[in-house]
Amino acid sequence: GAVVSQHPSRVICKSGTSVKIECRSLDFQATTMFWYRQFPKQSLMLMATSNEGSKATYEQGVEKDKFLINHASLTLSTLTVTSAHPEDSSFYICSASAGDDYGYTFGSGTRLTVV
Amino acid sequence: EDQVTQSPEALRLQEGESSSLNCSYTVSGLRGLFWYRQDPGKGPEFLFTLYSAGEEKEKERLKATLTKKESFLHITAPKPEDSATYLCAVQAYYKLSFGAGTTVTVRA
Repeated sequence: GAVVSQHPSRVICKSGTSVKIECRSLDFQATTMFWYRQFPKQSLMLMATSNEGSKATYEQGVEKDKFLINHASLTLSTLTVTSAHPEDSSFYICSASAGDDYGYTFGSGTRLTVV
Repeated sequence: EDQVTQSPEALRLQEGESSSLNCSYTVSGLRGLFWYRQDPGKGPEFLFTLYSAGEEKEKERLKATLTKKESFLHITAPKPEDSATYLCAVQAYYKLSFGAGTTVTVRA
């Protein structure tokens, strides 16, 4: 089955630094990748959608300059949290799709803690 | 705006005690309704996709059904390993909108 690898699984960083999270589709070409944020006991909130080679589309209220998304190839997307602050601490999850008929496969998530 | 409401928020079951989870939705142009299982600290794991009212799908002790306004996830004779949060999501156009989930705890 389709597999999406997300790294790192946990990261702790100091306030003001930047953190990069990688999302790779291992056995399929992901034409579209999605990035979500999940707070404790809450559901997944879509942050942005990216298509390979195109600029990401951000959901309303998501700061595009803080959450930089790159989808440079059909198997790799990255999310960079710039100048992280404690309020950015959360669980970030990526998802990849090969197209409408192929469903959505999720990564294992990244727990970001900003201290 | 697409809305997905799941109930109950939490469900505690004795091993072998069957129950159902509800997912009610409003969406313009439903393209698919998805059920996922999420374990603590992990990403969602795909269970089912339903596309049209009347459709049913089964996998081991789980069975998902779909009507025009809601979906049910039936858990038959659950085991402790079925303990997880079950998420429902609707697809309209290209993206998914998730409900808040139902956390199921199955006691031995």
